[in-house]
Amino acid sequence: NAGVTQTPKFQVLKTGQSMTLQCAQDMNHEYMSWYRQDPGMGLRLIHYSVGAGITDQGEVPNGYNVSRSTTEDFPLRLLSAAPSQTSVYFCASRQDSFDGYTFGSGTRLTVV
Amino acid sequence: RKEVEQDPGPFNVPEGATVAFNCTYSNSASQSFFWYRQDCRKEPKLLMSVYSSGNEDGRFTAQLNRASQYISLLIRDSKLSDSATYLCVVNIINSGYALNFGKGTSLLVTP
Repeated sequence: NAGVTQTPKFQVLKTGQSMTLQCAQDMNHEYMSWYRQDPGMGLRLIHYSVGAGITDQGEVPNGYNVSRSTTEDFPLRLLSAAPSQTSVYFCASRQDSFDGYTFGSGTRLTVV
Repeated sequence: RKEVEQDPGPFNVPEGATVAFNCTYSNSASQSFFWYRQDCRKEPKLLMSVYSSGNEDGRFTAQLNRASQYISLLIRDSKLSDSATYLCVVNIINSGYALNFGKGTSLLVTP
C-alpha cells in the first residue's frame, strides 16, 4: 500500500496561474480532506468529501475547488493563485467518521 | 474562542523526564479525539486515539475529561526521538466529522 500520495511535492506559481494538486489513496477510504498549514495558524480545513460524488466546504474554501469522481482521487484546484495561498497543503483520508486520518506527505506551494 | 486550544510551548525536558500536555476543546458534542505527532517539515502522523476511559500505548497515556472538555497526553521516560510537535485533534460535528486540529505543542527532549 502506498497510502496517500500527493503530487507535486513542491511547486512555484505566479500570481493568477491555476493548477491542480493531486491526491490519491489506495486504502479504499471513503473520507478525504484537504488542509493547509501556515506558520502560527495550524492546520485549517479547506474542503472535504464523505464519498465519491460528495464534497463540501471547510473553514477556508475560497479560491479552491475540489471534485471526487472516484473513491481514490481527490484533486484540489487553485483557480487563480494568490500570494496568500502560499502554504503547505496536506491531503488526508480515513475509512469512517470516527477514525483518525492518514496524511499524504504534503505539497509545498509558493505563489510569487 | 478557538475550537481546540493548546499551549504552544516549547517544552524543554531532559531525557528520561515525564511531560504532560493538555488541550481544551469548545464543542461539547465532539465525539472523536486524537493526538498526532508532527516532525519538522513532515506530515502529521497519528500517535493515538483518546478514549473516554483513558488509554495507554507504551510510554504514552491519553486521558479525556468530557465534563471539563479537555484532553491530556502524558509521555513517560522521554526519549530524544520524542522531540516533535504534538497536535490535539477533535472531530467537527458539522463538517462531515472532519477533524479540527489544535496548533500544536512543541516538545524538545535534550540529552
